[in-house]
Amino acid sequence: EIVMTQSPATLSVSPGERATLSCRASQSVSSKLAWYQQKRGQAPRLLIYGASTRASGIAARFSGSGSGTEFTLTISSLQSEDFAVYYCQQYNDWPPMYTFGQGTKLEIK
Amino acid sequence: EVQLVESGGGLVQPGGSLRLSCAASGFTFSGFWMNWFRQAPGKGLEWVANMKEDGNRYYVDSLKGRFTISRDNAKNSLYLQMNSLRVEDTAVYYCARKAEAAGYFDYWGQGTLVTVSS
Repeated sequence: EIVMTQSPATLSVSPGERATLSCRASQSVSSKLAWYQQKRGQAPRLLIYGASTRASGIAARFSGSGSGTEFTLTISSLQSEDFAVYYCQQYNDWPPMYTFGQGTKLEIK
Repeated sequence: EVQLVESGGGLVQPGGSLRLSCAASGFTFSGFWMNWFRQAPGKGLEWVANMKEDGNRYYVDSLKGRFTISRDNAKNSLYLQMNSLRVEDTAVYYCARKAEAAGYFDYWGQGTLVTVSS
């Protein structure tokens, strides 16, 4: 099983500032990495797939980078609606064993 | 518009069974892998199982033998039969569609809460 580790667990950032979230895989997942946003009481929402491709309708302030074992989600200028929990997910395993990081909570500073 | 609507959650005693349903609309259901996930209270996301349109299915190792995924393409519905439920199975259960080309999940339902407690 590929273990995904996110850091930090909690990130405090002021609105308008940049947020950088990290995700590490226990072995290479190539670029088979997705990011999701989850607000309290809601289902996850796909933000990024293929490590760096924004999903349909996702604002340009969200960007993803990385490959292999190290990945980053950057939110360039935080808006109030961006404060949420963010999860990374790998999809490199076959047979499928999709695994998620434990999440990073992005909170208002 | 793609919609996924889960139902069937509720309170069940340890050792009991429950069957969850997910009604899909707005896309060609038979053409997609469909998945179940769960999220225990205050915890992260866990993939549970998936099923291809042709019947191939996969499970997370820890749940093999207790949970069974199935689908009815004629009814555009996905199911999760959960047996021998344990307190630690308490979670919100989500169904989600796997994207066509790769293993990420582009549409999710709102979830249904399963509480296992005596």
